[in-house]
Amino acid sequence: DTGVSQDPRHKITKRGQNVTFRCDPISEHNRLYWYRQTLGQGPEFLTYFQNEAQLEKSRLLSDRFSAERPKGSFSTLEIQRTEQGDSAMYLCASSPTSGGSYNEQFFGPGTRLTVL
Amino acid sequence: AQKVTQAQTEISVVEKEDVTLDCVYETRDTTYYLFWYKQPPSGELVFLIRRNSFDEQNEISGRYSWNFQKSTSSFNFTITASQVVDSAVYFCALSDLDSNYQLIWGAGTKLIIKP
Repeated sequence: DTGVSQDPRHKITKRGQNVTFRCDPISEHNRLYWYRQTLGQGPEFLTYFQNEAQLEKSRLLSDRFSAERPKGSFSTLEIQRTEQGDSAMYLCASSPTSGGSYNEQFFGPGTRLTVL
Repeated sequence: AQKVTQAQTEISVVEKEDVTLDCVYETRDTTYYLFWYKQPPSGELVFLIRRNSFDEQNEISGRYSWNFQKSTSSFNFTITASQVVDSAVYFCALSDLDSNYQLIWGAGTKLIIKP
């Protein structure tokens, strides 16, 4: 396993369009996280899953945002009716809940979204 | 509430100098974890270290060392003999029971190593 992967790496869209991002976590990790990062800032937590259950959502996650992890493996993050303020890097991370790497979050390369 | 403060927004040093990045945290929990991540210009966050609250031993990994002091709620990171490849943004983060073990991030310190 080579780590957390995200697709696409870059996405340019027009305001009002819907976009969907995918994250494939490290295979034995049952926790999966989504973050948003804007330039010059640290990551902001959006939501996380334990297996297929979405356990927490940030208030940053407006009703235009939805995330799924249907089989407890990969996850998708969809943004509907994108706005220019949605332009950011969207980061996915995964972590185990046991073992020596407990609670260590390993990040993917991110998807950079630009909304025109 | 939990908080992580990285007071140094940007540090610039000449290659081969030692540099220390400061991190101060706040938490009410007695069990918590502290982390450092590196974000190079490529953008990917790279995990560097995790330290739990019951282990105050300092850690050294090559040119990197970490000084955890509960008395001052600090978890500082030192790079010895810095190299240009160390240039990156470095984030300190905290997770505790109150945050349901979600990462609470500092604002990051941009480290510039000049040749």
